[in-house]
Amino acid sequence: AQSVAQPEDQVNVAEGNPLTVKCTYSVSGNPYLFWYVQYPNRGLQFLLKYITGDNLVKGSYGFEAEFNKSQTSFHLKKPSALVSDSALYFCAVRPASNMLTFGGGTRLMVKP
Amino acid sequence: DAGITQSPRHKVTETGTPVTLRCHQTENHRYMYWYRQDPGHGLRLIHYSYGVKDTDKGEVSDGYSVSRSKTEDFLLTLESATSSQTSVYFCAISDVGTGELFFGEGSRLTVL
Repeated sequence: AQSVAQPEDQVNVAEGNPLTVKCTYSVSGNPYLFWYVQYPNRGLQFLLKYITGDNLVKGSYGFEAEFNKSQTSFHLKKPSALVSDSALYFCAVRPASNMLTFGGGTRLMVKP
Repeated sequence: DAGITQSPRHKVTETGTPVTLRCHQTENHRYMYWYRQDPGHGLRLIHYSYGVKDTDKGEVSDGYSVSRSKTEDFLLTLESATSSQTSVYFCAISDVGTGELFFGEGSRLTVL
C-alpha cells in the first residue's frame, strides 16, 4: 500500500527567505506525485505534479518541487517566501491504481 | 475555477439522522470522489465513482454510501450519522490520465 509522510506539522519562515516543505513517499512502481495548497475555508488547489522527466518541477505561484527517487522524496520549495504563501500544504502520491493518497499536511507560516 | 458545487456547505444534525451531501460538476469529468478532512489525518478517501452507476469504496467507507445516477451528480449519504462523522467533506473530480484532482469548497458537517 502506498503512503505519504509530511514530517513537519508546521514550518515557520520569514518573508523573503527560502522555504522547504518536506514530503517522502512509499509506493510500488513509478509514482505520480502532487502538491496541493489549501487556504482557510477553501478546497484544495493544485500546485504542481511530477510524472516523468526532469526531477525539478515548476508550478504555480513560484513554487517548485524536486523529485529524488533514491530518497523517495518530493520536497516543495520556493526561493523567496511571501506572507500570502501562508496556508496548509498537502503532498500526494498516485500509483497505477489511480487513487491519490494524501499526506497529513504541513502548515506554512510566513511572517513579515 | 473548476465547476464543482457542494451542498449544503454547512449542516448541523443529530446522531442517528440520515444526511445526504451533494456534489455537482459542470466539467463532464469521468471520476468523482468524496474525501473527508480531519486534523492530523489529512484527506482520506471515502468513496469514488468512475462513471454513472460505477462506484467503489475508499479507505474509510464504513457508514457511508454513494450514488451516481448522472455524470454531473455524486451523492454521499450517511444513513445514520454518528459523532465520529463530524468532519469537513470534500468532493473532487478528475478526468482520465494523470489524476490531477479539482476540489469543491467543502461541506462542514457537525453531528451532535
